[in-house]
Amino acid sequence: EPEVTQTPSHQVTQMGQEVILRCVPISNHLYFYWYRQILGQKVEFLVSFYNNEISEKSEIFDDQFSVERPDGSNFTLKIRSTKLEDSAMYFCASSEALGVASPLHFGNGTRLTVT
Amino acid sequence: DAKTTQPNSMESNEEEPVHLPCNHSTISGTDYIHWYRQLPSQGPEYVIHGLTSNVNNRMASLAIAEDRKSSTLILHRATLRDAAVYYCILRTNFGNEKLTFGTGTRLTIIP
Repeated sequence: EPEVTQTPSHQVTQMGQEVILRCVPISNHLYFYWYRQILGQKVEFLVSFYNNEISEKSEIFDDQFSVERPDGSNFTLKIRSTKLEDSAMYFCASSEALGVASPLHFGNGTRLTVT
Repeated sequence: DAKTTQPNSMESNEEEPVHLPCNHSTISGTDYIHWYRQLPSQGPEYVIHGLTSNVNNRMASLAIAEDRKSSTLILHRATLRDAAVYYCILRTNFGNEKLTFGTGTRLTIIP
């Protein structure tokens, strides 16, 4: 069964450094998402992306964050200047279509540790 | 967003059926009921969804109350692999493609 893959599985970075988290969505999917989960807390929506544009973003997704689909297969999340509070699991997801009947398929995440 | 209420935790014996309840008394007519689960150290995983009628798939069944103010996810024969946090989520059918996760129900399976 096709799956969403994320790399790296664990990223350690120093505060103030830039990080890029990478995702390969399922190949025929058109809608892409990033979520994060701070340890012990809820899974939180960050951003949704369609047709090379952000379609929705949360309050968490401030100017330090950006997303890009640089080619036909990858979907990336960049954090420009990491803070300690950015430490979390970051999940990429994709869906085939828009609408409530189209489930989201999640990757197994990248654990980001900011020191 | 309409909210859901789930028990924080539940336990069930292996190979027994499990009924996971969800209350959503403020559900609107356009809200679909979705269930996802999150196994330890993994991303969320889609389980099932429905609008009004009961639904079955290879993973589970979803029973929806007639007034739609509550629903129950049914795992017919729990295995150890079903130990996870189960999330009941309402999605509105008007371009709101994101999922809003609550705290879910942590299901423990007893061997």
